[in-house]
Amino acid sequence: AQSVAQPEDQVNVAEGNPLTVKCTYSVSGNPYLFWYVQYPNRGLQFLLKYITGDNLVKGSYGFEAEFNKSQTSFHLKKPSALVSDSALYFCAVRANTGFQKLVFGTGTRLLVSP
Amino acid sequence: GAVVSQHPSWVICKSGTSVKIECRSLDFQATTMFWYRQFPKQSLMLMATSNEGSKATYEQGVEKDKFLINHASLTLSTLTVTSAHPEDSSFYICSASRLAGAVGELFFGEGSRLTVL
Repeated sequence: AQSVAQPEDQVNVAEGNPLTVKCTYSVSGNPYLFWYVQYPNRGLQFLLKYITGDNLVKGSYGFEAEFNKSQTSFHLKKPSALVSDSALYFCAVRANTGFQKLVFGTGTRLLVSP
Repeated sequence: GAVVSQHPSWVICKSGTSVKIECRSLDFQATTMFWYRQFPKQSLMLMATSNEGSKATYEQGVEKDKFLINHASLTLSTLTVTSAHPEDSSFYICSASRLAGAVGELFFGEGSRLTVL
């Protein structure tokens, strides 16, 4: 069974500073990895995904994530945070074989201060 | 881009009544739709997976008779919370997988907040 761990409930960063939101995963076989963002009382918006190929994946709003197979990690990063990036971020994983449901982490709240 | 619409966004009902939530894929055909439940400050809990024209597959611990799911067409799935009680109050989110879309990518509705009095 697959699982996702987001070890930080909240990440605080000042505007203009780089940000990292951590995610580690466990899955049988090769993973499909995703990051989603959720604003208050809204659904989830897709940010980026790793399917195969280049380990560094670039996504929406300047976010990127690096797939590290040896560390089973897929940390979300952004070089310069904006106050508007403040939201709840979810990492998700599924196996790349057959039909496997998408499993979400517990979410990390990102708070960017002016 | 792919758009998923959920309706209603907010619903308040009395205990014992039933509430239906609709999930529509507006500009694509969705072979599979998923229903999630999200408690405050918690992650999404997958309730069930529905495929067009077949019975939904429920996750362990989710009552089939309580949460009725119908996926009548490639663009519409409904979740009916039957005989709702206050403990059913939650944020319900649907998502859809595109028929011929990118691998694994899901498109989410805006969610429906149910409050049972």
